[in-house]
Amino acid sequence: GIQVEQSPPDLILQEGANSTLRCNFSDSVNNLQWFHQNPWGQLINLFYIPSGTKQNGRLSATTVATERYSLLYISSSQTTDSGVYFCAVERRNFGNEKLTFGTGTRLTIIP
Amino acid sequence: EPEVTQTPSHQVTQMGQEVILRCVPISNHLYFYWYRQILGQKVEFLVSFYNNEISEKSEIFDDQFSVERPDGSNFTLKIRSTKLEDSAMYFCASSERGYEQYFGPGTRLTVT
Repeated sequence: GIQVEQSPPDLILQEGANSTLRCNFSDSVNNLQWFHQNPWGQLINLFYIPSGTKQNGRLSATTVATERYSLLYISSSQTTDSGVYFCAVERRNFGNEKLTFGTGTRLTIIP
Repeated sequence: EPEVTQTPSHQVTQMGQEVILRCVPISNHLYFYWYRQILGQKVEFLVSFYNNEISEKSEIFDDQFSVERPDGSNFTLKIRSTKLEDSAMYFCASSERGYEQYFGPGTRLTVT
């Protein structure tokens, strides 16, 4: 099946810093989503971004489908940004649709 | 904004007991999914469901698991005889075909 790798595995930053999280995937995909898992374990949808660039406030994401990677940018980090960020991809096969998740990047923002 | 809901938020059960986890997908979505996340690990696909039947299931989804859409709104995951290793967070998700999957808040299952 498709492989999804995220880097770095852990990231510790001071409040106000900027960060870039990377997601590499091993095959062409039909769907790519970024999630933030908060301290209560909930998965919060950040972006649906199979290709191109999107922005939402301090967060933005870029997917370069031809080169099989996606980047999540967080600017002016706040302590509430702490948590685990997951990238998940879908490669549609004979109509079957499932997301394959990466192992995540754990982001810790220090006040 | 429409959202996926799950009940209960936390379930504690004894080994060997049956549990049913419940989900209400977004109303106009036709594709439904269950995923699970063992503590500290990544989220894993269990099963997808469309048109009242399983579309795909992972190797984790063995005979002790089953899914059902008993009415027009609920989607359930049943574990017949729970094991210690079934302890995990279980997420339900729904989508329109080919679009973003929306996840519920999860049910934390603890098997003792």
